[in-house]
Order: sequence, then structure tokens, then C-alpha cells
Amino acid sequence: ELKVEQNPLFLSMQEGKNYTIYCNYSTTSDRLYWYRQDPGKSLESLFVLLSNGAVKQEGRLMASLDTKARLSTLHITAAVHDLSATYFCAVDPDDKIIFGKGTRLHILP
Amino acid sequence: GAGVSQSPSNKVTEKGKDVELRCDPISGHTALYWYRQSLGQGLEFLIYFQGNSAPDKSGLPSDRFSAERTGGSVSTLTIQRTQQEDSAVYLCASSTSGSQAVLGYTFGSGTRLTVV
Repeated sequence: ELKVEQNPLFLSMQEGKNYTIYCNYSTTSDRLYWYRQDPGKSLESLFVLLSNGAVKQEGRLMASLDTKARLSTLHITAAVHDLSATYFCAVDPDDKIIFGKGTRLHILP
Repeated sequence: GAGVSQSPSNKVTEKGKDVELRCDPISGHTALYWYRQSLGQGLEFLIYFQGNSAPDKSGLPSDRFSAERTGGSVSTLTIQRTQQEDSAVYLCASSTSGSQAVLGYTFGSGTRLTVV
């Protein structure tokens, strides 16, 4: 059974700090997706990582993919309050998107 | 349409009643997915369509749940004899193709189902 594990599941951090969310998955996949969800809202696509070594950046967020280690990271640089949300990673090796449980990020002003 | 449209946005129903949830995917998207998200939880896969066919129904929780898709477009998720544990947000997503979703998957705003 495919498993997608995120770490940590909850993160409270101060504005201006850096931190990394980790996403491990248990089967071969050369694609990985990161989504953001605000409370009461749907999922917003952040990054689509399509190959080993892929790195994408948008503002204070940077995502990377290591398919050999089956690991993706989402790095937050100099966090701001607006980044408070739940972040999900997902893989789709068999035409079925499997999500991690999400990382609830709370950034304190 | 420009995005994935789901209706109704909210549904309150009495235990034991049947409900139908609708998803209208982005035009041209051949793959369509249903997920369930309970309060504060992750996303639970329910069913996946490629065109009108459902290659994977493994996530449907029980035989009270069924889904269909017609014309390669609109999909309906039906829950019969609803139970309180069915209360959740039901999310629909679509993509250009299940295994080639290089542009990712687009999610609708969801239907919040409350069974009282």
C-alpha cells in the first residue's frame, strides 16, 4: 500500500524564521505535487515537480524532489503570517493521487 | 468553465436520506476524482474516472456510495441512506489525464455535507 508521510504534522513558528516540511513516500514516483489549503477552502496547487532533482520556487516557498530517496521538501524562507495554512504533498504513481495527512503551519506575528 | 464546479456547496440532510453531489470538471479534462475530507483530516480517495469509466473504485467506503460520469464530463456522487459518519467535505478534482497530469490537478470548492 502506498504511503505518503509528512513531517511535521503541525508547525508553529515565528515570522522571519526558516523551516522545512518533509514528504516521504513509499513507492516509485517521478512526480510530486504540493498543495495549500486555507481553513474552509479547497486545495490550491503550489508546485508540480516532474523529475528527480526538480526545484521550484515561488516567493518564500521552495520545493524540491529527490526520487531516489523518495523525498520532497518544502522550504519556507523568512516566514510571514500570510503563509499560515495546511500544506499537502501528493504523488500519483497509479493514476490515483495519494495525499499526505497535511502539515498545519501556524505563523505567529 | 474556467474551474471545477461543485454543487451544492452545502448540504444538510437527515440521517437515512439519499444525497447527490455534483461535479462539473474543467472542459477537456478526461480524468476526474472524488475525495472526502473529514474535519481537520487529510484527503481520503473515493473513486477515479478516466472518461466515463471508473478504473478504481477501491476507496468507496461502502455499497451505500456510488458514482457515475456521463458524456466524459459531469459526475455525480450518490450516498444512499446517509449516516452521521458521512458528514465531511466532498472534493472533486480533474486533470487532463490521470497519469500525465503534468499541470497538476484542479480541485473544486467542495460540498460540505452534514448529516443530522
